[in-house]
Amino acid sequence: DQQVKQNSPSLSVQEGRISILNCDYTNSMFDYFLWYKKYPAEGPTFLISISSIKDKNEDGRFTVFLNKSAKHLSLHIVPSQPGDSAVYFCAASEFQGGSEKLVFGKGTKLTVNP
Amino acid sequence: DADVTQTPRNRITKTGKRIMLECSQTKGHDRMYWYRQDPGLGLRLIYYSFDVKDINKGEISDGYSVSRQAQAKFSLSLESAIPNQTALYFCATSVGTGYQETQYFGPGTRLLVL
Repeated sequence: DQQVKQNSPSLSVQEGRISILNCDYTNSMFDYFLWYKKYPAEGPTFLISISSIKDKNEDGRFTVFLNKSAKHLSLHIVPSQPGDSAVYFCAASEFQGGSEKLVFGKGTKLTVNP
Repeated sequence: DADVTQTPRNRITKTGKRIMLECSQTKGHDRMYWYRQDPGLGLRLIYYSFDVKDINKGEISDGYSVSRQAQAKFSLSLESAIPNQTALYFCATSVGTGYQETQYFGPGTRLLVL
């Protein structure tokens, strides 16, 4: 049973436009959500996070929105740039036994076309 | 210099062989993790360690063992490799406060078991 779902395996957008990546989760005990970006042959790189007590967090061109009632979060990239082309993983964590246990989605491959 | 390094970056081995993957970090973090990623899937947790004396099983620990030789070093062993252990393996670290922590990943080891 997949607790974190990224239903779009891929997304293609034009440079300068907005990219919106979506993520749904089922576990209401998740209290921290993260987005990672992964280039080929590299490890996942932390991008942005949001606590469950917030509904928005912004960092430069990247904004994460959290809708707890819908168990949905999204990552907005504005404006999109060709260098943003990568696989984006959504991750959620629940504080258990003194630590956060991360659960990852399967990823969405973003392609930003020049 | 990279904060989290993994060796080797690529490895081909045969069924039944013992293999060790190594992870080192210069971030000074207490907690270290091993994940595997299979094609089209998210990352899944194999083992994690809160400190040198603490080792915990993750979601998919069968067939694997780990050793935390020092705060900065965490090794993953496959005692008798099998083909379905072919995957990308990532080491990660987190600072150790526990609550709503971010994990930082190494570049990964690509393992092929023939």
